[in-house]
Amino acid sequence: DAGVIQSPRHEVTEMGQEVTLRCKPISGHNSLFWYRQTMMRGLELLIYFNNNVPIDDSGMPEDRFSAKMPNASFSTLKIQPSEPRDSAVYFCASSLGANSGNTIYFGEGSWLTVV
Amino acid sequence: QQQVKQSPQSLIVQKGGISIINCAYENTAFDYFPWYQQFPGKGPALLIAIRPDVSEKKEGRFTISFNKSAKQFSLHIMDSQPGDSATYFCAASPSGNTPLVFGKGTRLSVIA
Repeated sequence: DAGVIQSPRHEVTEMGQEVTLRCKPISGHNSLFWYRQTMMRGLELLIYFNNNVPIDDSGMPEDRFSAKMPNASFSTLKIQPSEPRDSAVYFCASSLGANSGNTIYFGEGSWLTVV
Repeated sequence: QQQVKQSPQSLIVQKGGISIINCAYENTAFDYFPWYQQFPGKGPALLIAIRPDVSEKKEGRFTISFNKSAKQFSLHIMDSQPGDSATYFCAASPSGNTPLVFGKGTRLSVIA
């Protein structure tokens, strides 16, 4: 089975531009997570969905960030407008529910650079 | 978010040596403690996990030691190999429908 698929793998954009990151979770998984990884802050949970419904978005840094999950096989994370401090690796992950003990499977990440 | 504090931030170990990474937590509701391994350019992947009903879990060269009273757990890598060079994250979650909280990671370098 294919793992979590993210696109683009690398994105370089200018400050102020809109950035859209895409994710296809593992088929059958009903929980989806967006994480951001930086050297300073490690892995931060931005938002997670259960059965396509956003459950907790308290990790989303500000209103410039938004995430959607229109169906069980697709999610987007959008940054508008982007800023240099948004430069990071963004990971999408999925699991069979967010319950304790369920393994979270990560994609390979989207490396974002905002100049 | 509830925190998991991880140390050290980076670690250099000789080939064949023991690598030890430590984590501490405050939330007594945490009941699942996994370790994730991340190679450069890849996403983290589950390495080994433990529940608080046992004090130790071993899988090959990797062992988790868990101290419930001290609210600490650690990863031991025996006979460390250059192929173990990666970033290691501890994590924790409470029971119920709540996602993992990750430590900040430890970058391990195993040198020959």
